[in-house]
Amino acid sequence: DVVMTQSPLSLPVTLGQPASISCRSSQSLVHSDGNAYLTWFLQRPGQSPRRLIYKLSNRDSGVPDRFSGSGSGTDFTLEISRVEAEDVGIYYCMQGTHWPRTFGQGTKVEIK
Amino acid sequence: EVQLVESGGGLVQPGGSLRLSCAASGFTFSTYSMSWVRQAPGKGLEWVASIKSDGSQKYYVDSMKGRFTISRDNAKNSLYLQMNSLRAEDTAVYYCMRGMTSSDYWGQGTLVTVSS
Repeated sequence: DVVMTQSPLSLPVTLGQPASISCRSSQSLVHSDGNAYLTWFLQRPGQSPRRLIYKLSNRDSGVPDRFSGSGSGTDFTLEISRVEAEDVGIYYCMQGTHWPRTFGQGTKVEIK
Repeated sequence: EVQLVESGGGLVQPGGSLRLSCAASGFTFSTYSMSWVRQAPGKGLEWVASIKSDGSQKYYVDSMKGRFTISRDNAKNSLYLQMNSLRAEDTAVYYCMRGMTSSDYWGQGTLVTVSS
């Protein structure tokens, strides 16, 4: 199985400051169709996960443009340009290229 | 508006069975693959199974293969997860998701507790 490793696992941030989460896969996530199926989800406290970014860098409708996804191959990053209070929660990366699908351990973002 | 509503969770004894359902609305269910993901209390997300739009192919995580069966009824806009030989470690919230590559919608989840 493809192992997804996130870092850090805990990320205290200051409002208005940038934040960055790393996700590394044990195998390349480039599919035979040329796409990298790397997705970022945010799970706010007490809620279901919500998709933020799909296919590496595509932001979902309604997701603020302060969120951006980047990377290639086996190294991926989610960046928040200026953290807001509503960004608190646990962020998960997930690979959708290989079976079985696998998630990272999650990164808990909290306000300092 | 896309809606996914899970049901069927509850308390079950070890070795027992449970059938989860997911009622879909707001989109053409028969054209989308679907998946189940679970989350043990206080833990991360674990993918369980996926099924193609026409039900022709099903995928499972090895640890659940043979015990869990994913199915769908496109006429009823419904997704199912039959869970047999349940163990304490299957205790989790089970989420229904649209898609199997980069799922864009999730349900609210249904809690399954396996305990004597």
